[in-house]
Amino acid sequence: NAGVTQTPKFRVLKTGQSMTLLCAQDMNHEYMYWYRQDPGMGLRLIHYSVGEGTTAKGEVPDGYNVSRLKKQNFLLGLESAAPSQTSVYFCASRHRGQFATNEKLFFGSGTQLSVL
Amino acid sequence: AQSVTQLDSHVSVSEGTPVLLRCNYSSSYSPSLFWYVQHPNKGLQLLLKYTSAATLVKGINGFEAEFKKSETSFHLTKPSAHMSDAAEYFCVVSDTSGTYKYIFGTGTRLKVLA
Repeated sequence: NAGVTQTPKFRVLKTGQSMTLLCAQDMNHEYMYWYRQDPGMGLRLIHYSVGEGTTAKGEVPDGYNVSRLKKQNFLLGLESAAPSQTSVYFCASRHRGQFATNEKLFFGSGTQLSVL
Repeated sequence: AQSVTQLDSHVSVSEGTPVLLRCNYSSSYSPSLFWYVQHPNKGLQLLLKYTSAATLVKGINGFEAEFKKSETSFHLTKPSAHMSDAAEYFCVVSDTSGTYKYIFGTGTRLKVLA
């Protein structure tokens, strides 16, 4: 059981380049999330999905697009990267469980992105 | 809309003394509240969760948190700090309206002094 897998783990881009971050989960979770983590700002929600074929904006969606064509995959795209998008990106999926006490987020190991 | 405010960006305690990390929340709906911990260069781990079953919630590694609706607070405590508790701690709120957006606070970095 791999859990939540993010690829790539590291990436360096030049301003204006594009890239896609892939998040894959093998736990059959409906809800998936993309966050960015910056020093002193915690994790900020970029976009999220409540199921296959759905996406919604989070707190900081500008400059990013997402797609959820398959239930197990949630893609985060940067069409034209900017230095302000230098960050650590985390993907997460929500485990609902039979009881409310079992609810928790499973996180990937993160992608460190630098935009020069 | 929901939000959380972590009142201290950094907290330093001596090993063996109590830990208090403060969190206030705002939510339009009955909230679910969590504390997550992130050790240096590690992933995020769930410490505990408030589900409305009990206002005092016990988590892993001796941590606990008390939900106080009148004060809109969910402070994290531990009676005796250990060196291994040094990490960044995040308070998280999620509404129960069905969108299940998880909103993180800005984090509190806990330093434990020998």
